[in-house]
Amino acid sequence: AQSVAQPEDQVNVAEGNPLTVKCTYSVSGNPYLFWYVQYPNRGLQFLLKYITGDNLVKGSYGFEAEFNKSQTSFHLKKPSALVSDSALYFCAVRDRNSGNTPLVFGKGTRLSVIA
Amino acid sequence: EAGVAQSPRYKIIEKRQSVAFWCNPISGHATLYWYQQILGQGPKLLIQFQNNGVVDDSQLPKDRFSAERLKGVDSTLKIQPAKLEDSAVYLCASSPTLSSGANVLTFGAGSRLTVL
Repeated sequence: AQSVAQPEDQVNVAEGNPLTVKCTYSVSGNPYLFWYVQYPNRGLQFLLKYITGDNLVKGSYGFEAEFNKSQTSFHLKKPSALVSDSALYFCAVRDRNSGNTPLVFGKGTRLSVIA
Repeated sequence: EAGVAQSPRYKIIEKRQSVAFWCNPISGHATLYWYQQILGQGPKLLIQFQNNGVVDDSQLPKDRFSAERLKGVDSTLKIQPAKLEDSAVYLCASSPTLSSGANVLTFGAGSRLTVL
């Protein structure tokens, strides 16, 4: 079975500082990995995904994530945080070799960027 | 491109009552998903359609939940009778097809259900 762990419920960072939101995954084969963001009273919005190739993936709003197969991690990063980045962030995984299995989400990490 | 439309945005009902949620996916998207998001948790898949056929409903509580996508376009999710633990946001999402697991899901704004 596939699963995602987001070990931090909340991450606080000062505006202008780098941010990291952690994600580890478990799949039997190779993964497709995704990050979504959710603003208050809004649906989830796609940020970026890893399919194959370069382990560093760049996405929307200056976010990037690094795929690390040996550590089964896909941490979300941004060099300089903005107050407007404050939101709920979800990591998700799908096993590449498992046909129609659904996308499985982590429980989410709330990011708070303080001015 | 219009997004995924959902209605109603908010619904408050008493336990044992029924409720229905509607979703219209992005035009041309063959795959439609209903997720349940309980406060403090990540979205959990309830049901997945490819066109008008069910692909996965293994986590749908079929004694009280039902869903349909009769013409392969819009979809309705129904709960009858509702329980207190059904209080959640119900998210509809769509994607072009199931042929690629790398497809991005586009989500609607969600329907927030409160069961009293």
